[in-house]
Amino acid sequence: DAGITQSPRHKVTETGTPVTLRCHQTENHRYMYWYRQDPGHGLRLIHYSYGVKDTDKGEVSDGYSVSRSKTEDFLLTLESATSSQTSVYFCAIGSGNQPQHFGDGTRLSIL
Amino acid sequence: GESVGLHLPTLSVQEGDNSIINCAYSNSASDYFIWYKQESGKGPQFIIDIRSNMDKRQGQRVTVLLNKTVKHLSLQIAATQPGDSAVYFCAENLNAGGTSYGKLTFGQGTILTVHP
Repeated sequence: DAGITQSPRHKVTETGTPVTLRCHQTENHRYMYWYRQDPGHGLRLIHYSYGVKDTDKGEVSDGYSVSRSKTEDFLLTLESATSSQTSVYFCAIGSGNQPQHFGDGTRLSIL
Repeated sequence: GESVGLHLPTLSVQEGDNSIINCAYSNSASDYFIWYKQESGKGPQFIIDIRSNMDKRQGQRVTVLLNKTVKHLSLQIAATQPGDSAVYFCAENLNAGGTSYGKLTFGQGTILTVHP
């Protein structure tokens, strides 16, 4: 989506390895979000950020951490990846009371 | 906890027909609702939104209806086209613009298939 870049778009890794996904925005939005999407579950919020260095947990935050050192970048880290974290990860940006806009996702496979 | 759900997981229509996708929400305090469309391999794309002080909102070929009495949301697509084939999600936000930080709760999605 315009203004939101997720990297990498695809990744395969092994159980127990650390993984970092990056979300970059050019819209200067205050809020950024990480979701995961699994069959039968829709999108579930992992973590979100409401400003530089301001982050909080979402619905499914166990096993994940985030960092936001500057407005445009929001990083999602799996400290020690597990097979249950195989999913498609989406980043979104927003301004609070307006609709969120999503990136095109990162497909992560953990073997 | 509170969640948003859908009545029908799949919907199949003929090109040119009108489509109606339904969504039930359980949090009566939710005050902002959004419909998204997701095509294969892509992120959700915003279609239309509605706030709780309204019961209907129209866009280009799409209409969203909100019935707060029965906590029901619907998306109507007029003259459905093959390009409308996708998964459609409803999402709700509690206290939009307040202290919710824009967090959304999503339904599981409805697959819309449009046959030529």
